[in-house]
Amino acid sequence: AQSVAQPEDQVNVAEGNPLTVKCTYSVSGNPYLFWYVQYPNRGLQFLLKYITGDNLVKGSYGFEAEFNKSQTSFHLKKPSALVSDSALYFCAVRDISGTGRRALTFGSGTRLQVQP
Amino acid sequence: DGGITQSPKYLFRKEGQNVTLSCEQNLNHDAMYWYRQDPGQGLRLIYYSQIVNDFQKGDIAEGYSVSREKKESFPLTVTSAQKNPTAFYLCASSPREGYNEQFFGPGTRLTVL
Repeated sequence: AQSVAQPEDQVNVAEGNPLTVKCTYSVSGNPYLFWYVQYPNRGLQFLLKYITGDNLVKGSYGFEAEFNKSQTSFHLKKPSALVSDSALYFCAVRDISGTGRRALTFGSGTRLQVQP
Repeated sequence: DGGITQSPKYLFRKEGQNVTLSCEQNLNHDAMYWYRQDPGQGLRLIYYSQIVNDFQKGDIAEGYSVSREKKESFPLTVTSAQKNPTAFYLCASSPREGYNEQFFGPGTRLTVL
């Protein structure tokens, strides 16, 4: 079975400060990991993914994420937050072995609020 | 213009009625998915299909049905057996290989009156 935990329902940060949105995962094998962003009443937009290789992954809009296998984490980060980054963020996982469910499992989401 | 379309954007249904949500993609993706989104619960997988004429149940398939007669289309029917159907429904597609990200449609908001 595969699962994802996003321990924070909401993260508040001031504009210009660094931000971190936390994600931990559980899979039986090795993971494919993804981050998505959702604006109100819209579908999800892909931000970045970890497949293999470098543990630091860079994505859209200045976001990056660090894969940590020992801590089973994939936290989303940005060095300097913008008010326009305010949205709902989802972490997702898929087991690389492909023996289980062949679809992503999503976390419950973290609402990011960036104050001007 | 490639992408995924969902229609309608808003849908109202009376209790006891079945309703079908449309999802179409022109990305030539093999796999398609339906998710349900409720406040504070993230996305829950209803059904998914890896190839035409084949589909599998997700975590919350009860009260829903799907078909996959064409590669481009994956309609979802919300039946009267679904006890609490009011939600935001998202369709997605992807190439079959697991390292590929899923592309999402704009969603359909279903309200049962």
